[in-house]
Amino acid sequence: EADIYQTPRYLVIGTGKKITLECSQTMGHDKMYWYQQDPGMELHLIHYSYGVNSTEKGDLSSESTVSRIRTEHFPLTLESARPSHTSQYLCASSWDRVDSPLHFGNGTRLTVT
Amino acid sequence: DQQVKQNSPSLSVQEGRISILNCDYTNSMFDYFLWYKKYPAEGPTFLISISSIKDKNEDGRFTVFLNKSAKHLSLHIVPSQPGDSAVYFCAASGIGAAGNKLTFGGGTRVLVKP
Repeated sequence: EADIYQTPRYLVIGTGKKITLECSQTMGHDKMYWYQQDPGMELHLIHYSYGVNSTEKGDLSSESTVSRIRTEHFPLTLESARPSHTSQYLCASSWDRVDSPLHFGNGTRLTVT
Repeated sequence: DQQVKQNSPSLSVQEGRISILNCDYTNSMFDYFLWYKKYPAEGPTFLISISSIKDKNEDGRFTVFLNKSAKHLSLHIVPSQPGDSAVYFCAASGIGAAGNKLTFGGGTRVLVKP
C-alpha cells in the first residue's frame, strides 16, 4: 500500500500570497505527478517528474512550479495566488512502469479570495 | 478536446444489482486503461486496470471490459453495495516513456440505494 501525504488539506488565502503545497511519498516511487481538479470535472495533469531533478509540464497549462530535489518530495508553488487558482490539487506517485497505477494523496483544496 | 469521456454523470442502482459504468476514448495510442474510485474529500483510489491486449479483466466484484474497435470500455460492479457509492473515473495512458501519464474522464457519480 502506497503512502502519500499532502499538506495542507484545506487552504484559504488572499490574492497575491505565495503558497507551497507539500507532497511526500514513502514508497520510493520514481514518478510523481500533480493533477488539478475543479468540482465535477476531470483531473488534469499540470506537472510530473520522472525522478530527482526532473520536472515536466503537464497537459494543462499552470502558473505553478514544482521541484524534485528528493525522491520522496514533490512540492508545488504558486508565487502569487489568484482567485483563478481556486481548485483541488492532487499529488500522485507511481513506479516507472506503464502498468503501475498511480497512488493519490487526499488532495489540497485551495481557495484564493 | 476530451480524449476520455464518461457520458453518464450519474447512476443510481439498487443494492445487490449490477452497476455498469461506461467510458469512451478517442486516442488510438491509448493502450492501458484504469478505473479509479473517489470518495468526497479523498484522493482517487485505484480499482482495476486492463491492457489493450486483453478484452476482460476481473477482480472480485469488479470486471472491466474493453472493446478496442469501438474505443469503449465499461466497468461492471456485481453485486453493488452501499459502500460503492462514490465517483468513478475512467483513465487511459499510452505507450512509451511517458506511459504513466493518465488522461481522465469526467467521472460518473454512483449511488447505491439500500
